[in-house]
Amino acid sequence: ETGVTQTPRHLVMGMTNKKSLKCEQHLGHNAMYWYKQSAKKPLELMFVYSLEERVENNSVPSRFSPECPNSSHLFLHLHTLQPEDSALYLCASSQGQQLYGYTFGSGTRLTVV
Amino acid sequence: TQLLEQSPQFLSIQEGENLTVYCNSSSVFSSLQWYRQEPGEGPVLLVTVVTGGEVKKLKRLTFQFGDARKDSSLHITAAQPGDTGLYLCAGAGRETSGSRLTFGEGTQLTVNP
Repeated sequence: ETGVTQTPRHLVMGMTNKKSLKCEQHLGHNAMYWYKQSAKKPLELMFVYSLEERVENNSVPSRFSPECPNSSHLFLHLHTLQPEDSALYLCASSQGQQLYGYTFGSGTRLTVV
Repeated sequence: TQLLEQSPQFLSIQEGENLTVYCNSSSVFSSLQWYRQEPGEGPVLLVTVVTGGEVKKLKRLTFQFGDARKDSSLHITAAQPGDTGLYLCAGAGRETSGSRLTFGEGTQLTVNP
């Protein structure tokens, strides 16, 4: 399998649940990202991992917890979310430089009820 | 913060028409990328422009980077229903290091048969 794969594609969870989003890339890239995409808003960068180390956390609430166990896998652990956290969560990877662009996964459509 | 403003936000046209969408900023970018996102999928990279004044063509799509590297345009000739999607511009900043991109809000294009 090639590209960036995200699972699950759709997730409905209650505010007291704990769930995890998974992202896997088979491109040999050394940087991975979590973005949040809400209606009528630009893509919001949440976390950046470079060479498996978190290099950026854009003031994301602690109810979102990322994990990068190796250069091919990225997780986003979710707990006690709020309805306003409902959005499309996109994972992306890149080979270091912005010049080469990002490869995005298809996203996880998250609904918090 | 480097902001990218895209216009128009929404565009609905008939098949065969031409259109231009714009991406503007007060900041200088070292490179700028255009992505297209279809419903239920992640954005897909279309092109990267690097040099001020650069023009790139991808079949019926023409991309231009402004001379001052602060703006860009995407022109589509003889639009087809398959061109429907959300078009996003993303800039790589001269001041930022690593792989972070700044995304615009996007232009939602609908091409009617």
